[in-house]
Amino acid sequence: AQKITQTQPGMFVQEKEAVTLDCTYDTSDPSYGLFWYKQPSSGEMIFLIYQGSYDQQNATEGRYSLNFQKARKSANLVISASQLGDSAMYFCAMREEVDSSYKLIFGSGTRLLVRP
Amino acid sequence: DSGVTQTPKHLITATGQRVTLRCSPRSGDLSVYWYQQSLDQGLQFLIQYYNGEERAKGNILERFSAQQFPDLHSELNLSSLELGDSALYFCASSVVSGRLTNTEAFFGQGTRLTVV
Repeated sequence: AQKITQTQPGMFVQEKEAVTLDCTYDTSDPSYGLFWYKQPSSGEMIFLIYQGSYDQQNATEGRYSLNFQKARKSANLVISASQLGDSAMYFCAMREEVDSSYKLIFGSGTRLLVRP
Repeated sequence: DSGVTQTPKHLITATGQRVTLRCSPRSGDLSVYWYQQSLDQGLQFLIQYYNGEERAKGNILERFSAQQFPDLHSELNLSSLELGDSALYFCASSVVSGRLTNTEAFFGQGTRLTVV
């Protein structure tokens, strides 16, 4: 069975500094996709970044980058130059095939608090 | 704004009652997914519809059902509600059948259900 693990329930970071949120995954499928989502206190799930298992380069989207280490099965999210608005829950997720369709399975999340 | 609309945003109801949650997917998206986010279970996949047909089932209780209508909006029906059904229910949409790639996993703002 596929599994996503986020070992940091909560993290603090100083404004303008970089922070890394950890995510490890477990799958036997050679083809998979990894996602990061942000959930602010308002509750919506905001897509941040995606990494495919065959992608040669680490994904980047603005201040977000994904440190993809395939051999270690880790897909850590790096947020550079943290802003107060980055305070939120962050979820790592993996695409899983089920019944010839797909779904996302999520980790338990990391709550990030950015200090001014 | 993801383009996925969920109504209502908040719902408070008593145990034993039945409620209906509504989701309008992004324009052009044929697939709708329902997820439940609770404190103890995290984010769980419930069910997926593609162009009106059920495609995949996850951890959905028998008391819950869903459907997708010809105009592609979807409804999640929860009956015989219990206190443990209190959660945030998300709808997500994608353009093709089940394929959640980097640009296709868009979530609505969720419906917060409180069962008292």
